[in-house]
Amino acid sequence: KNQVEQSPQSLIILEGKNCTLQCNYTVSPFSNLRWYKQDTGRGPVSLTIMTFSENTKSNGRYTATLDADTKQSSLHITASQLSDSASYICVVSLNTGGFKTIFGAGTRLFVKA
Amino acid sequence: ETGVTQTPRHLVMGMTNKKSLKCEQHLGHNAMYWYKQSAKKPLELMFVYSLEERVENNSVPSRFSPECPNSSHLFLHLHTLQPEDSALYLCASSQVGLAGGYTGELFFGEGSRLTVL
Repeated sequence: KNQVEQSPQSLIILEGKNCTLQCNYTVSPFSNLRWYKQDTGRGPVSLTIMTFSENTKSNGRYTATLDADTKQSSLHITASQLSDSASYICVVSLNTGGFKTIFGAGTRLFVKA
Repeated sequence: ETGVTQTPRHLVMGMTNKKSLKCEQHLGHNAMYWYKQSAKKPLELMFVYSLEERVENNSVPSRFSPECPNSSHLFLHLHTLQPEDSALYLCASSQVGLAGGYTGELFFGEGSRLTVL
């Protein structure tokens, strides 16, 4: 069964600290993996995209990693800011044509001053 | 305006009401989507329109009825809803390749928060 599981479900960190969010997937055939950020009351916005051959990709203070062998991805946030408080959603697309995308339930991050 | 715009942002309706959600995209994309987002659950794909044709309908109850009059506009007509239909309804758009299908970035609207009493 195609699934995307994220951990932790929620996380509280102090401003300035680093954190890592995890995404494990059992999706096949794999096309790509995206991390989205969803601020409260807003729609999700794409942060990064990872294809099969990519191991690491950065977008400012956000760094995503992908291990296609173990089917794991992580999103590392460096020097967190209050504006990083949001839900982070891992989304995996299948390479079957059509519109098959599998969403994780998200990790809710709270950054406190 | 830019991006994907949804109206209304908030909607409260009784189970016997009929209402509609509207979505408009200004990105020149050729595919539009409706997603349902419930608390602590993954986004659920409801409908996909590609080149104005419905190409996916994920076993959504008939009390939800989509309409896509052109590639920039998408509606979700609601009637005789149930309290469990209360959720955030997200519209998205993307550009679909010549071979069809989606692998690209989804651009979401800000959602319509629906409460069914």
